[in-house]
Amino acid sequence: QVQLVEAGGGVVRPGTSLRLSCAASGFNFETTDIHWVRQAPGKGLEWVAVIWFDGSNKYFADTVKGRFTISRDNSKNTVYLQLNSLRGDDTAIYYCARENREFGDAIDIWGQGTVVSVSS
Amino acid sequence: SSEVTQPPSVSVSPGQTATISCSGDKLGERYVCWYQQKPGQSPVLVIYQDNKRPSGIPERFSGSNSGNTATLTISGTQPMDEADYYCQPWDSTTRIFGGGTKLTVL
Repeated sequence: QVQLVEAGGGVVRPGTSLRLSCAASGFNFETTDIHWVRQAPGKGLEWVAVIWFDGSNKYFADTVKGRFTISRDNSKNTVYLQLNSLRGDDTAIYYCARENREFGDAIDIWGQGTVVSVSS
Repeated sequence: SSEVTQPPSVSVSPGQTATISCSGDKLGERYVCWYQQKPGQSPVLVIYQDNKRPSGIPERFSGSNSGNTATLTISGTQPMDEADYYCQPWDSTTRIFGGGTKLTVL
């Protein structure tokens, strides 16, 4: 069963850090690019970051560039999103998602999301 | 990636055709995909590469892309199609989503 499971969300203070994880199963993780997408309460989807299958390239949305980092451990089938210098507008559900070449590099599988709430 | 714009809302009667647009500069030169998201659920891919449907997506969902506008069309719209829909143009580096369109079936 193809699956992505996010973890690590929580309630944190502004300026602090959090690390999210995304555990994959049921597909060849080592050949797959993984994205993070977030959704603020009542708002639309916002693309956050992507890491290539081998970790050689990483790209970020301007809103998080310099504050968030992304990494992966292919031996653990896991991608990590490090959130630093958190702000109130980072409050959102964070989804990890699989890009699939069979679908023209569209995102075809999404996790259930993990909630990050930044509040003083 | 440059911005893409969607109408905030579209309404359609059951059984009628719903069209949702996604506009952006030279959008027709890039592949576009569409996602459906129902309340409390993760998004679902309904169209990729402008007009292809993943298995399991009903034939009533179709797409097109030309010029500056991509369009998602739902023929014979059913109440279960009520959801938010997002377009996303392909990009080799950063990605963006349209702002989303709330489809109401009434």
